[in-house]
Amino acid sequence: DAGVIQSPRHEVTEMGQEVTLRCKPISGHNSLFWYRQTMMRGLELLIYFNNNVPIDDSGMPEDRFSAKMPNASFSTLKIQPSEPRDSAVYFCASSFDGSYQPQHFGDGTRLSIL
Amino acid sequence: DAKTTQPPSMDCAEGRAANLPCNHSTISGNEYVYWYRQIHSQGPQYIIHGLKNNETNEMASLIITEDRKSSTLILPHATLRDTAVYYCIVRVGDKIIFGKGTRLHILP
Repeated sequence: DAGVIQSPRHEVTEMGQEVTLRCKPISGHNSLFWYRQTMMRGLELLIYFNNNVPIDDSGMPEDRFSAKMPNASFSTLKIQPSEPRDSAVYFCASSFDGSYQPQHFGDGTRLSIL
Repeated sequence: DAKTTQPPSMDCAEGRAANLPCNHSTISGNEYVYWYRQIHSQGPQYIIHGLKNNETNEMASLIITEDRKSSTLILPHATLRDTAVYYCIVRVGDKIIFGKGTRLHILP
């Protein structure tokens, strides 16, 4: 079975550039989560969607970050403009019906902003 | 903030049972205990979860104390591939708050 698919796996870009991270959740899952992991702050929840609707975006660090889920099989996390402090590993996870069902994580996108 | 306390690191000999403790003294009656692990450079992997009763699956066993203030994850026969950071999480609704976890080293 296909798990959560994230792309790209690695991204290196210069500060000021727009960055778009992509996620395809597991088919049939209706909750999707974006996390960021750094050495200093560990794993942080940025935003999550249920049935394509953003439910909680309180973890989104700044207005430079935005996330969309146009349909049940695709989500994007965009950073514009990017800054070096945005360098991190970004994970996407999905689950069935949100509450109390385990979240399944992708392999992440390792983002480096120079 | 994470609602759990875990030792920062543990060692276990290969082939032995690894017992990872977790304290969650402020857990509420409807909050589940979840365990995930993260192997280097991979996404977190779900292991097991429980509410009150002990649980077992193909990966591990979860023992929850009667007062639910603590739990133990048991990997019955640890292998080198079990080397990872193990996160104990008290889940509140849809949100998972990860703490720092326990870094488990399996020694050959």
